Amino acid sequence: NAGVTQTPKFQVLKTGQSMTLQCAQDMNHNSMYWYRQDPGMGLRLIYYSASEGTTDKGEVPNGYNVSRLNKREFSLRLESAAPSQTSVYFCASGFRGQPQHFGDGTRLSIL
Amino acid sequence: AQSVTQPDIHITVSEGASLELRCNYSYGATPYLFWYVQSPGQGLQLLLKYFSGDTLVQGIKGFEAEFKRSQSSFNLRKPSVHWSDAAEYFCAVGAQESNTGKLIFGQGTTLQVKP
Repeated sequence: NAGVTQTPKFQVLKTGQSMTLQCAQDMNHNSMYWYRQDPGMGLRLIYYSASEGTTDKGEVPNGYNVSRLNKREFSLRLESAAPSQTSVYFCASGFRGQPQHFGDGTRLSIL
Repeated sequence: AQSVTQPDIHITVSEGASLELRCNYSYGATPYLFWYVQSPGQGLQLLLKYFSGDTLVQGIKGFEAEFKRSQSSFNLRKPSVHWSDAAEYFCAVGAQESNTGKLIFGQGTTLQVKP
């Protein structure tokens, strides 16, 4: 099925470990986004990529890096995980300024 | 400060009853507005959006929303709720001048549907 695919779906890390969250879309969208969702706080933008080859910081970028590998793929990396990064992470794709399709999320716990 | 407020954290309605979910925003630029729905364990799905023109916007699944500039509101409505509408609903606002996807999301409203 067409859409946004995120891997992994669940992950448990220890403080200080690193990992990369993968995201791929097959809808030929130019823009891709990474959000985190925390209880009672809605979604907050971490990083976005308006088009292939460009990335920019969102509302909460500290502790994260991203790579727009090609038009389809946009990865999010935690270099040194901290408990405050325990969250559900969503990747989305869409047209300019319009995240339209979201993945099912990655549930990340950091101990 | 830019913000989106969904005053109702939790709403319960009976199946077949009408529904209105409230959304108020504070935004300096010309806004565009969205409603998303999230089912448990899944990502968000775009229900509808408003950019300009007719202030009554039709979306998927029988939902509509009305933009009222004077009240800074963008309330979501449905005439007759189905059990499958039980989910969490998010209102979001962004700047029309921007292509960043820097939407500001409300905290969400959880809808429960009674049989």
